[in-house]
Amino acid sequence: NAGVTQTPKFQVLKTGQSMTLQCAQDMNHEYMSWYRQDPGMGLRLIHYSVGAGITDQGEVPNGYNVSRSTTEDFPLRLLSAAPSQTSVYFCASSPGTGVSGELFFGEGSRLTVL
Amino acid sequence: AQSVTQLGSHVSVSEGALVLLRCNYSSSVPPYLFWYVQYPNQGLQLLLKYTSAATLVKGINGFEAEFKKSETSFHLTKPSAHMSDAAEYFCAVIYNQGGKLIFGQGTELSVKP
Repeated sequence: NAGVTQTPKFQVLKTGQSMTLQCAQDMNHEYMSWYRQDPGMGLRLIHYSVGAGITDQGEVPNGYNVSRSTTEDFPLRLLSAAPSQTSVYFCASSPGTGVSGELFFGEGSRLTVL
Repeated sequence: AQSVTQLGSHVSVSEGALVLLRCNYSSSVPPYLFWYVQYPNQGLQLLLKYTSAATLVKGINGFEAEFKKSETSFHLTKPSAHMSDAAEYFCAVIYNQGGKLIFGQGTELSVKP
């Protein structure tokens, strides 16, 4: 099993550009989520999904959109990138429809917005 | 607001010394508590979790943590540090069933030879 796969690993954007961070998992997990990691702030939840067709906002959803058309995929869209969105983004999944505590993380996507 | 606090953003120990990483949560109701580890340029992986069974929880790589309700703490320890333990460690909490996982700010552990 590949686990949780994120692409791209690195991306540089200009302010105002849009892009999509891809996340796919092959563990048949119902729960998927996106976090951003910034120095000194730990991980903050952006959006999450408890199953195909269901998404909800986390702590810091502004500037990001998500959709969940399949169990496997949970892309994160930046509609108009801003320098404040420079961060490392992690996708994570968990079995069941809630967080059982064990999140399985991808290796991260490092985004720089100039 | 419900939160989790890790005391010390950076801890440095010598190889073979005791590792102690501190974590405090903010509720009187025992939550679900976790420690995750992040090695450089990787995602996080679960070290151990407390879910209201034994108060002393053993995890991978020789780490353990003790839940102390009176102190609202869940500190992570390891008797003897190895160079391979150098990483960032995150304490995380779920305050109620179905709640979201809230992460602390992280503590970077350095191990000196």
